[in-house]
Amino acid sequence: GQSLEQPSEVTAVEGAIVQINCTYQTSGFYGLSWYQQHDGGAPTFLSYNALDGLEETGRFSSFLSRSDSYGYLLLQELQMKDSASYFCAVRSSYNTDKLIFGTGTRLQVFP
Amino acid sequence: DTAVSQTPKYLVTQMGNDKSIKCEQNLGHDTMYWYKQDSKKFLKIMFSYNNKELIINETVPNRFSPKSPDKAHLNLHINSLELGDSAVYFCASSQGLSKEKLFFGSGTQLSVL
Repeated sequence: GQSLEQPSEVTAVEGAIVQINCTYQTSGFYGLSWYQQHDGGAPTFLSYNALDGLEETGRFSSFLSRSDSYGYLLLQELQMKDSASYFCAVRSSYNTDKLIFGTGTRLQVFP
Repeated sequence: DTAVSQTPKYLVTQMGNDKSIKCEQNLGHDTMYWYKQDSKKFLKIMFSYNNKELIINETVPNRFSPKSPDKAHLNLHINSLELGDSAVYFCASSQGLSKEKLFFGSGTQLSVL
């Protein structure tokens, strides 16, 4: 089967740095995306990695290692508003519209 | 202006009823989707349409019937609702080759009693 595993919950304090890991096992791989979802809200796109390495977007960075089938989302200078669920997602091939989502990680930021 | 809008936001209904959820996007995107998020927050694709053509039908019971009258609209009709259909249904859209970047609607929380 196809699966993307994430830790179920992560906690941190304001100003800290937190890393949310994602390991995937899919029939193919065409990139790893990250989404943020606040309670009661819609998932919103954060970042995308097609190639190995680190992509930085402000306080958020995303990393991919295709040889390890692994990626992570790094959140720096945490703020209370970062408390949300974070999902990784994989598109398994170039010619599919389908994104397979991970199990989700709930991040709680404390003052 | 809302990019992807879906209605209603909440839907409470009895088992056996038929209901519809409507979705519209004003982004000019060519692909639209329905995703289902269960109580454990697991997000799974149900359907995708590209320029009104059904592309993905992800082993969804045939009680669920999507309809795309034009590329800006994708509606979801559900017949004979069951308790297990209770979930949040999200409409989403994407453009061209950027299939990784989905724009989601605000969701419809369906509760079947």
